[in-house]
Formats: sequence, structure tokens, C-alpha cells
Amino acid sequence: EIVLTQSPGTLSLSPGERATLTCRASESVSSRYLAWYQQRPGQAPRLLIFGSSSRAAGIPDRFSGSGSGTDFTLTISRLEPEDFAVYYCQQYGSSPVFGQGTKVEIK
Amino acid sequence: EVQLVESGGGLVQPGGSLRLSCVASGFTFNTHAMSWVRQAPGKGLEWVSVISGSGGDTFHTGSVKGRFTISRDNSKNTLYLQMNGLRAADTAVYYCVKGRGAWLYLFDYWGPGTLVSVSS
Repeated sequence: EIVLTQSPGTLSLSPGERATLTCRASESVSSRYLAWYQQRPGQAPRLLIFGSSSRAAGIPDRFSGSGSGTDFTLTISRLEPEDFAVYYCQQYGSSPVFGQGTKVEIK
Repeated sequence: EVQLVESGGGLVQPGGSLRLSCVASGFTFNTHAMSWVRQAPGKGLEWVSVISGSGGDTFHTGSVKGRFTISRDNSKNTLYLQMNGLRAADTAVYYCVKGRGAWLYLFDYWGPGTLVSVSS
């Protein structure tokens, strides 16, 4: 089973700063099958990015995804107050698995 | 507007059973795979079970095989999860999630979740 490892565990930043989150897979993942989700406190997750770089409906363009093979990145260009949350990557080709999450907190 | 509303969670003793339900609206239910994803308190996300749009195919994660059964009633736009032989490790918020397009495991809408607590 593929293991997804996210880093860092916690990212402390200020509003307006750039956030870079990493997801590393234990073996190669097709970029078509890599997604990112955001979970705000007390809420259900929501889909941000699929196919490693395509934004889901209604997602602002400050969110972008990239990567291939075993290394994937979620970038938030300028953090808004509502972006402070936990982010999960997910492999959805088969036997779906999530990373353990990265918490983006206010510095 | 897509809506998913779970119910059926609660406190149950180890070895007990619960049936979760999820009523869906705002999309053509029988054309989308549906899944249950759970989240233990303070932990990350874990996919549990998936069922195809027709209901003909189901898959479960290894830790629940033989204990949980996913099903759906397309005439009622309702998804179910029958959970038997519950263990403390099954304690979690259970989310009903919709598959995006033809994907089994890409989740584009999530319900608010229902809490299942397994404890004596």
C-alpha cells in the first residue's frame, strides 16, 4: 500500500504569506490520482485540488498544486484568514490513502 | 445544491451494532459512487467503504472487512453503512462522501459527519 507523508506537520505563518506544503509518496503515484483537501476546524473536509493541479469548483486561484512521481506540492500564494486549517493529500487511483495532514496555523 | 446528511451515530458498547444512513440530494444519486470516510478524534482521514452507483460493486478497507457492509437504496437516494462487531478503534466521525464523476475514490462533496463512539 502506498504511504503518503506530508511535511511539515505544522506550518506557522502570517496572513498574506506564502504557504508551501509537501506530500511525498512511498512509490510513484500518477499525477492524475493526487488530490488535496482542506479541513477547517469543526468542519468536514472539502476538495481543493485533483489531478495534482486542477482546482475544484469554487476554489480560489491562490491555491495551486504541482508535482509528479513521488513528490507533490500544494501552494497557497497569499494566506487569507480562512485558509488556516489542516490540509490532506490523497492518492485516489486505487486503495485510497490519505496523508497524515499539515496544519497551517497563524503565527 | 448537493447535500449529504448523515444520521445514526451514537454510543454503543464493544461488540455492538449500528446502522448509519446518509440522505443525498442535489445530484443524480444513482450515477455516482458513494463512500464512507472516518476520522478518529484528533486524527487524520481514513477511507472505509465504497459502493458503485448501481450498487453492484462494493469495497471495504481491511480493518472493517467482514464487519461492515455498505449498501444503497437508489429509490430513496440513501446510502447506508451497517456496522457490526464494533470496536473501540472504530470510534470516529463518519462522513458520507460523493464520488466525483466516474471516480470511485475522489471525493467532491462531504456531509457534516456523524459521531460513532464505541465504549463500555
